[in-house]
Amino acid sequence: SQQGEEDPQALSIQEGENATMNCSYKTSINNLQWYRQNSGRGLVHLILIRSNEREKHSGRLRVTLDTSKKSSSLLITASRAADTASYFCATTRNTDKLIFGTGTRLQVFP
Amino acid sequence: KAGVTQTPRYLIKTRGQQVTLSCSPISGHRSVSWYQQTPGQGLQFLFEYFSETQRNKGNFPGRFSGRQFSNSRSEMNVSTLELGDSALYLCASSLDTGGDSPLHFGNGTRLTVT
Repeated sequence: SQQGEEDPQALSIQEGENATMNCSYKTSINNLQWYRQNSGRGLVHLILIRSNEREKHSGRLRVTLDTSKKSSSLLITASRAADTASYFCATTRNTDKLIFGTGTRLQVFP
Repeated sequence: KAGVTQTPRYLIKTRGQQVTLSCSPISGHRSVSWYQQTPGQGLQFLFEYFSETQRNKGNFPGRFSGRQFSNSRSEMNVSTLELGDSALYLCASSLDTGGDSPLHFGNGTRLTVT
């Protein structure tokens, strides 16, 4: 079963706009990770944020984590057509397995 | 470094048959995890192996099994295939076990059961 749920399920924007995706999860976590998946291919790791961190940046990506609300958000700034993909959050607690959320499908129009 | 390699890329099997999927992790990675991805259920965790030992197991029937060899390569086997086993099977490797380090995924094996 999924630990996390992403919101929205689908998002369409124009190139240059910002894209924000949210992830909510159910139990306490050790860390939360974001992945990207292009159609029919494997997932690519984007960023890992630990439970004692509140915000992390990587290039055009900004991730926030609010453990009190059990939620995280991924912001992609100045989106490009190449950012079109599905985005997943994934969580782990203790030394348990990594459980993925339901994903957000992002479409960026040129 | 070479990435995670999964073979074969595509498979078509008939109900009742069995199938073996192979995964070669990134050199130096000792943990290998397997996931099943379907449109209806999303990404479901199958199992994780670390140093030839199964560390975690998902909620799948006993028809799904796996193993890891001393060189960290892993195989998963599905016996008595059902139509519902049609899915993209993804393998991922990581340096450490337990989800505390990023997973590096292969491009998957697309299994179709007819």
